[in-house]
Amino acid sequence: DIQMTQSPSSLSASVGDRVTITCRASQGISNYLAWYQQKPGKAPHLLISGASTLQSGVPSRFSGSVSGTDFTLTITSLQPEDVSTYYCQHYHSAPFTFGPGTTVDIK
Amino acid sequence: EVQLVESGGGLVQPGGSLRLSCAASGFTFTDYEMNWVRQTPGKGLEWISYIYRTGSPIYYVESVWGRFTISRDNSQDSLYLQMNSLRVEDTGIYYCARGGSGGYRPHDSWGQGTVVIVSS
Repeated sequence: DIQMTQSPSSLSASVGDRVTITCRASQGISNYLAWYQQKPGKAPHLLISGASTLQSGVPSRFSGSVSGTDFTLTITSLQPEDVSTYYCQHYHSAPFTFGPGTTVDIK
Repeated sequence: EVQLVESGGGLVQPGGSLRLSCAASGFTFTDYEMNWVRQTPGKGLEWISYIYRTGSPIYYVESVWGRFTISRDNSQDSLYLQMNSLRVEDTGIYYCARGGSGGYRPHDSWGQGTVVIVSS
């Protein structure tokens, strides 16, 4: 099974800061990587698919990139409404494992 | 508008059973693969099962293999999860999530979740 790791597990940043979250797959998954945002008490929401394709309606300050088996979610200018937990998930082959999550809050 | 509405959660003793349902609307159900994902207390998300548009193939995470059964009724636009031999560690929020329409795809729509509590 493919394992997903994420770093950091949590971070605190100021409004307007650039925030970077990293996800690593234990083996090659091509671009079969998604990023989700989950706010407290809510279901997850798909932000990015295919490692870098922004879903409709997602603000352009969110972006995704890939280098080998390392994937990055970047928020170019953190906003108060971005306070959430972010998860990566691969969908290369079952089981479609999620990363452990990164909690982002405002400093 | 895509809607997924889960039901069937509740309190059950260890070793007991529950059947979760997910009613889908706002899209052509037969065009999409479907999934169940859970979130256990204080922990993250765990994908637990997938079912293809026609009902096969089906996949499970190892921790539920042999205890949980995913199924769908395309005539009723509904997804199900039969959960047997429940354990305390199965406690959590269970979400149904829409997958792809042709090939593996991420979960682009989610229900609100149904809560399962396994406790004596």
